[in-house]
Amino acid sequence: AQSVTQLGSHVSVSEGALVLLRCNYSSSVPPYLFWYVQYPNQGLQLLLKYTSAATLVKGINGFEAEFKKSETSFHLTKPSAHMSDAAEYFCAVSGQGNTGTASKLTFGTGTRLQVTL
Amino acid sequence: NAGVTQTPKFQVLKTGQSMTLQCAQDMNHEYMSWYRQDPGMGLRLIHYSVGAGITDQGEVPNGYNVSRSTTEDFPLRLLSAAPSQTSVYFCASSLQVNTEAFFGQGTRLTVV
Repeated sequence: AQSVTQLGSHVSVSEGALVLLRCNYSSSVPPYLFWYVQYPNQGLQLLLKYTSAATLVKGINGFEAEFKKSETSFHLTKPSAHMSDAAEYFCAVSGQGNTGTASKLTFGTGTRLQVTL
Repeated sequence: NAGVTQTPKFQVLKTGQSMTLQCAQDMNHEYMSWYRQDPGMGLRLIHYSVGAGITDQGEVPNGYNVSRSTTEDFPLRLLSAAPSQTSVYFCASSLQVNTEAFFGQGTRLTVV
């Protein structure tokens, strides 16, 4: 089985402050991990993904995430928040393959990021 | 480049009615899936397909059917709508399950 847990359904930061969104995963196979962003009334867009090539992954819009196997974590960070970062962020996990649990892409419950002046 | 196209965008159904949500992609993706999004619950997988002719259940399949007769299309059928199926539905496609998923704009369904 595989799952992700996102700690904190709402996170509020000031513009210019560090953004930290937490994600812990559980997987019985080597995981592929993703962060997606959803702006109001839109579908999801990929921010970044981990595919075992490098533990520190850089994505779009200045976001990055670090895969830590010992902590089963894949937290999303951005050094300086911008008003345009306000959105809902989803962590997701999959395996690789065409059968069983490995063939599912499973999402967390999401974290809504609010950016204040 | 259309990407993933979902229709309709909005739908109101009466309890007991049936309907089909359409999903089409033009990227020749093998993997397609349907999710429902409810407040506080994230995206929950309804059904998915790893290729034409192959479908499987996700975590919340009850009340829904799918088929995948072509690579491009992956319709979701509600057999007998219930108020608990009021939700926003998203279709997604990707080359494989572990590559970038592209999402449609969603269908907002209300069952009264």
